[in-house]
Amino acid sequence: GAGVSQSPSNKVTEKGKDVELRCDPISGHTALYWYRQSLGQGLEFLIYFQGNSAPDKSGLPSDRFSAERTGGSVSTLTIQRTQQEDSAVYLCASRRGGSYNEQFFGPGTRLTVL
Amino acid sequence: KNEVEQSPQNLTAQEGEFITINCSYSVGISALHWLQQHPGGGIVSLFMLSSGKKKHGRLIATINIQEKHSSLHITASHPRDSAVYICAVKDSGAGSYQLTFGKGTKLSVIP
Repeated sequence: GAGVSQSPSNKVTEKGKDVELRCDPISGHTALYWYRQSLGQGLEFLIYFQGNSAPDKSGLPSDRFSAERTGGSVSTLTIQRTQQEDSAVYLCASRRGGSYNEQFFGPGTRLTVL
Repeated sequence: KNEVEQSPQNLTAQEGEFITINCSYSVGISALHWLQQHPGGGIVSLFMLSSGKKKHGRLIATINIQEKHSSLHITASHPRDSAVYICAVKDSGAGSYQLTFGKGTKLSVIP
C-alpha cells in the first residue's frame, strides 16, 4: 500500500514568510510524528499526535512552530516568520497504535530559508 | 534526557567485510531502533528491539540492556549498504513515546 507522503518535497522561502508543510500518513496509522534534520545534525523530535489525545508539543523549538492533525489523518506543520536557522529537512513518520510498533518515515520536505 | 552516542561517525569498508556500528545511551529505555538513511534522504526502519538479538538477512542487531549498548552488524557488506545508520531510543518513562536519535554513522562500502 501507499507509504507516508509529504509535500512539497522542496520549499524555498524568504526570511520572515510563513510556510506550511503537509504529511499524509499511512491509512489507519493512529500515531504521527514530525522530526527535523538540520545539516550535519541528528534527527530532532518536534511533535507527536496519537489519536484524539492532546499532542505532545515538547519538541517544538519556538512558538513560531505549530502543527495540526485534522480528522486523525493529514497533518500540517506551520512555521511562521521563518528564520534562516529553520532551514532543514522536515520528516514525518506514522505508526499503528501501540508504542512498540515500527515507525514509517516519509521522504521529507527540504526547507531552505533565504 | 537520554544521550545517544554512536561510533564510529564515519566508516569505510571494502566489499565483503564484516561491519559493526555501535550505539550507547545514558538512561534506561523501553526500545531501541536502528534506522537506515540513504543518500536520497529516505529513512527505513531496520530493527526495533528491547532485548537480545534480531537478524534480518545480512543484518544483525544486538542489545545489552545492563550495559546500555547496542550494535548493528552487517555481514558480507556490499556497496548498496552504503548509507547513514541511525540509532534511536525510546525512554522507558510512563507515557514516553518520543525517540532520541544518535547523529548517525556514515558507511561507505567500496567495491
